[in-house]
Amino acid sequence: GAGVSQSPRYKVAKRGQDVALRCDPISGHVSLFWYQQALGQGPEFLTYFQNEAQLDKSGLPSDRFFAERPEGSVSTLKIQRTQQEDSAVYLCASTALGTNEQFFGPGTRLTVL
Amino acid sequence: AQSVTQPDIHITVSEGASLELRCNYSYGATPYLFWYVQSPGQGLQLLLKYFSGDTLVQGIKGFEAEFKRSQSSFNLRKPSVHWSDAAEYFCAVGPSSGGYQKVTFGTGTKLQVIP
Repeated sequence: GAGVSQSPRYKVAKRGQDVALRCDPISGHVSLFWYQQALGQGPEFLTYFQNEAQLDKSGLPSDRFFAERPEGSVSTLKIQRTQQEDSAVYLCASTALGTNEQFFGPGTRLTVL
Repeated sequence: AQSVTQPDIHITVSEGASLELRCNYSYGATPYLFWYVQSPGQGLQLLLKYFSGDTLVQGIKGFEAEFKRSQSSFNLRKPSVHWSDAAEYFCAVGPSSGGYQKVTFGTGTKLQVIP
């Protein structure tokens, strides 16, 4: 596609529910990043993939957060047993091999009630 | 650890006036520096970046930024602001070497443009 797409754009979950957020990177982009952006804050790094390999997951806030990219393209960020503090915009970005410009998707706004 | 400080949470300027958004970074080596813009409901768009070379870098939409190593600053400027520039601006720092760009963002500066 022309850019990074994310779905759903908005998600409302009741506390305790599991959610899955999808990211479609730019076709051919090797690197994929997930960020969490709380209200009034800058994006904070969650995890990084190079192709299907998750090379850095140091930013995942708890073991309730899980990300995968099984075929090296689409990625899913899963949050189990959501809590109110998980409410944020989740941004995905992708980068072509050998470059450093991250192209961002529009984000998924998650609200946990 | 790398970090970014954007001391101004909100800035209001009149349309046509000049703009400067401040950014200070902390990084142990030569950093890779970025400015992104985020409009409401949108993802981040790269305005410009600095890695090496000329310390004054030009970006899109008429923006420029100057890298000052002695001050650990990378301030964003625009000589004449347009109403469409109203958005949130993020400064970011990343490593200039290494396997990938783990970027650290500042908390952002929200720009309001008044007629």
